[in-house]
Amino acid sequence: QSVLTQPPSVSGTPGQRVTISCSGSNSDIGSHSVSWFQQRPGAAPRLLIYTNDQRPSGVPDRFSGSRSGTSASLAISGLQSDDEADYYCAAWDDSLNDLCVFGTGTKVTVL
Amino acid sequence: EVHLEQSGTEVKKPGESLKISCKGSGYVFSAYWLGWVRQMPGKGLEWMGIIYPGDSDTRYSPSFQGQVTISADKSISTAYLQWSSLKASDTATYYCARRVAARGYYYMDVWGKGTTVTVSS
Repeated sequence: QSVLTQPPSVSGTPGQRVTISCSGSNSDIGSHSVSWFQQRPGAAPRLLIYTNDQRPSGVPDRFSGSRSGTSASLAISGLQSDDEADYYCAAWDDSLNDLCVFGTGTKVTVL
Repeated sequence: EVHLEQSGTEVKKPGESLKISCKGSGYVFSAYWLGWVRQMPGKGLEWMGIIYPGDSDTRYSPSFQGQVTISADKSISTAYLQWSSLKASDTATYYCARRVAARGYYYMDVWGKGTTVTVSS
């Protein structure tokens, strides 16, 4: 199954803004919305962004998402040590199997 | 509060069978699709398949079709992921997650804590 492409790692100092890209194709990001998940070590994924740019209640507004064409991005502003985690994008695929495709994952390191 | 409670850690031998569970609470279990996701040690998330507990309509990722069985019992608000003959390569953490829709688009809003399965001789 295809996957969405993310950079393996990004890093920043506290207070900085970092962005994570997510590249897909016409059959996934190009046709469906993108969601983003945060996964801290040893924990389950947690929904951060849904339908490209919406935040669930409880997610700080430091996290923002966008989509354009077959790519999406997640921005974290005012970077905090607590943001150190793995981040995954996800989108549904135009297939008969009701397939969800995940990004390759990005490790965010706070220097 | 919506919650997905997954069964505990499993240690099995190759060739053994296994059924892990995911029990939903705080919502109408039969009305929402529930997906399963694999995460192998140190690796990313992989979509396995999804089930609609209301009528047990099930769709599998091609990568997992024939390798696992997804089922559900709506009377006890529980979904299952099952193997008939485990392999060492099935060693992973398995998550269940509820799928919802907004503005016509899907996303997974609530996740279970995961079930870690270790297959070793």
